[in-house]
Amino acid sequence: DQQVKQNSPSLSVQEGRISILNCDYTNSMFDYFLWYKKYPAEGPTFLISISSIKDKNEDGRFTVFLNKSAKHLSLHIVPSQPGDSAVYFCAARGKTGRRALTFGSGTRLQVQP
Amino acid sequence: DSGVTQTPKHLITATGQRVTLRCSPRSGDLSVYWYQQSLDQGLQFLIQYYNGEERAKGNILERFSAQQFPDLHSELNLSSLELGDSALYFCASSLRDSSNQPQHFGDGTRLSIL
Repeated sequence: DQQVKQNSPSLSVQEGRISILNCDYTNSMFDYFLWYKKYPAEGPTFLISISSIKDKNEDGRFTVFLNKSAKHLSLHIVPSQPGDSAVYFCAARGKTGRRALTFGSGTRLQVQP
Repeated sequence: DSGVTQTPKHLITATGQRVTLRCSPRSGDLSVYWYQQSLDQGLQFLIQYYNGEERAKGNILERFSAQQFPDLHSELNLSSLELGDSALYFCASSLRDSSNQPQHFGDGTRLSIL
């Protein structure tokens, strides 16, 4: 039972345009959400997070939106750069109990020059 | 550089063998988590330690065990290895065992079972 789903395995965008990566979750006890970026042969790198008390968090070119009623979050990258090409993982954690992250299966983003 | 160090980077061994993976968390971090990533899938949580004590277990097999030492480094022990244990094993650390703190990951150990 996948509690965090990234339904798009891959996404290709042109340099300078917006990249939108999507993530859905099923567990209503999740209250903290994160995005990680992963390059080959490296570990996941923390990008941005959002608490369930907010619906938007912004950090430079990266913005995460949370729609709690739809159990959906998205990561917007504007403008996209070739160096953004990587696998992006959505992750979630519950308010109580286990503090470990539940990850989606990832979306491979390719930014074309 | 996340500050989390994992050794070795690669391990190649045979079925039935035992290996130990090592993780040094970021300076000051008390929580250590182990994750397994198989075949370009998402990361699956194995086990968490906080300040030397086991805090939570995920999908960890009985053949696997871990511990966290007084200097806060952690080791993941995998025994009676099977072909299906071939995967990337990541360690992550965070300052405390509370919400709203990101985990920071090492670069992983790639385990190949022949």
